[in-house]
Amino acid sequence: LAKTTQPISMDSYEGQEVNITCSHNNIATNDYITWYQQFPSQGPRFIIQGYKTKVTNEVASLFIPADRKSSTLSLPRVSLSDTAVYYCLVGGFSGGYNKLIFGAGTRLAVHP
Amino acid sequence: DAGVTQSPTHLIKTRGQQVTLRCSPKSGHDTVSWYQQALGQGPQFIFQYYEEEERQRGNFPDRFSGHQFPNYSSELNVNALLLGDSALYLCASRITSGGTDTQYFGPGTRLTVL
Repeated sequence: LAKTTQPISMDSYEGQEVNITCSHNNIATNDYITWYQQFPSQGPRFIIQGYKTKVTNEVASLFIPADRKSSTLSLPRVSLSDTAVYYCLVGGFSGGYNKLIFGAGTRLAVHP
Repeated sequence: DAGVTQSPTHLIKTRGQQVTLRCSPKSGHDTVSWYQQALGQGPQFIFQYYEEEERQRGNFPDRFSGHQFPNYSSELNVNALLLGDSALYLCASRITSGGTDTQYFGPGTRLTVL
């Protein structure tokens, strides 16, 4: 499974757009890129998943360049409630069974 | 549509004891994975169950065992508890058939070993 590298922490202010970039140089052809959000003492919450180009849903956008060696999670107009740890993961299927390899994640702090 | 549920929410045990944690997957999901998350770290994969069999296992000792029932619910058992087993235990479920590996997590069980 490909290893990911993302910033340890980021700070932002309410109303700003936040972009968190994740590096995954060894991503495999069948790997997808998935982002999770986690609040203290809660389970990770699925945010968005993509394979290439751009994916957008009601909470975030995911930008993936053509070489797929990195990806950027974009959170528009963050609020205090977006303060959380964000995990970038890459992986696909291996015989139908797969495990998620979490790194340390990015701790996002949103300030008033 | 209920999401992934776990019980109990919190648990306190002493060293050497045994514990059983329970998980009910999201409706329609047939695969359950368990993760251990120590304070300040990302979740670590323990094992995954599909069709009532352990399909993949992470780097955890045999003290950690599991079971999946015909209704897809699952249990995590930990024997001979150590202080280092104190953590948030997370259950995640997904549908095995499908194009992507989107796993949905439960709220977790906070285990404290004294």
